[in-house]
Formats: sequence, C-alpha cells, structure tokens
Amino acid sequence: GAVVSQHPSWVICKSGTSVKIECRSLDFQATTMFWYRQFPKKSLMLMATSNEGSKATYEQGVEKDKFLINHASLTLSTLTVTSAHPEDSSFYICSARTWTDTEVFFGQGTRLTVV
Amino acid sequence: EDKVVQSPLSLVVHEGDTVTLNCSYEVTNFRSLLWYKQEKKAPTFLFMLTSSGIEKKSGRLSSILDKKELFSILNITATQTGDSAVYLCAVPHMEYGNKLVFGAGTILRVKS
Repeated sequence: GAVVSQHPSWVICKSGTSVKIECRSLDFQATTMFWYRQFPKKSLMLMATSNEGSKATYEQGVEKDKFLINHASLTLSTLTVTSAHPEDSSFYICSARTWTDTEVFFGQGTRLTVV
Repeated sequence: EDKVVQSPLSLVVHEGDTVTLNCSYEVTNFRSLLWYKQEKKAPTFLFMLTSSGIEKKSGRLSSILDKKELFSILNITATQTGDSAVYLCAVPHMEYGNKLVFGAGTILRVKS
C-alpha cells in the first residue's frame, strides 16, 4: 500500500517555542492531507484538512493561528504548533489520500511533549 | 451531523476466543467504511467496505457491511495476544474532501 512518512516521531520542546511536524507521501501524490490529534485512550480528532495550493480548512474549535498548516506540494504538508504550551502535548497524526481513492493512509504519528 | 458509533468500548477475552466488534454509522452520501487497528502508533489499515453483504477476509480477521441497517462488524477468530489493540471504524465524509469521521474505538485486550 501507499506510504506516508511523518517526522519527527517524537519531540520534546520548551513552552513558548514552535514545533514543525512534516507529513510526506512517499510514493503517491496527495491532493488532500488530514491532521488529527489524539488524546490518551481517545479516538482521533480531526483538526484540519489540508489541500495542496490552498488554505487549510480547520474544524470547529481548532485555532488556525495556533496550528499552522502548509501544503506546499503534492507530497508534503506541515503542521506547526506555534507558541506551544503543555496542554498542546498530544499525539498528532497525519493522513493522506489520492484524488482517485477514498482510502486514506496514515503517517506514523508524532508524540509532542511540551515542558 | 455524521456519526460513527462503535461497541463495545472495551473488551477483554482469552486467547483462542472469537470476538465481534460493531460499528454503526449515520452519514450522508455514504461510499465506504474503513476499519483500522491501532497499537502504540498510528492506525494501520485493515479493511475498506463498500458493498453490502460481501465479506472481506484477511487471515483470522473478517468484516462485513450492511448498508440497509447501517452497520458493519469486524470478527477476529482464534484471538492472540498480538490482537490486543484499539480497533477504529471510520467513514469518509464525502462533502469535505473525504475527511474521516471516526468512532470512539473498541479497546480489545487478549489475555494469555
């Protein structure tokens, strides 16, 4: 199946700093990528839908100035957590789909810890 | 509003048991339903179901969809400790770029 690579797999940062997470589709062009957040023992919560070449669509309650998403190419989307705080600590997962398929492929996830 | 409901929320069984996980959904413009297994990292894809009544099978896992009653089941036979995971059911929301609407998941623990 298609491969989505997410980097880094884990990161620890100080409160107030910004962290960038990358999501790459390795063997296909992803017109749409999705960013999820997952709290312990909870399901995935969609944060935003990222479309190549256009602004991301954020879900209700997600601060777009806090979670900056850039989808500059058909194989790369980035999520930047700006001015991170401990409550931003979470597991962030990206997924991607091709324009022909309803199936989505997940990255490995990024465990963010803000201290 | 689109909704995916999974049951049970958690389940503990012994090795060798057979389990059935349920997923019901309410979604406009349904096209498919997906099952994922999540261990410590990101979900891994199990099945995509689009047609009613056609069983999909992969080893000890199988799944079927009922589009009339709006539900799907995931069966695991002869369970092993390695089957312990969270099983997630999701439905793409067709109007919004296929974003996935996830159920809460079923936490399965298989005891040896």
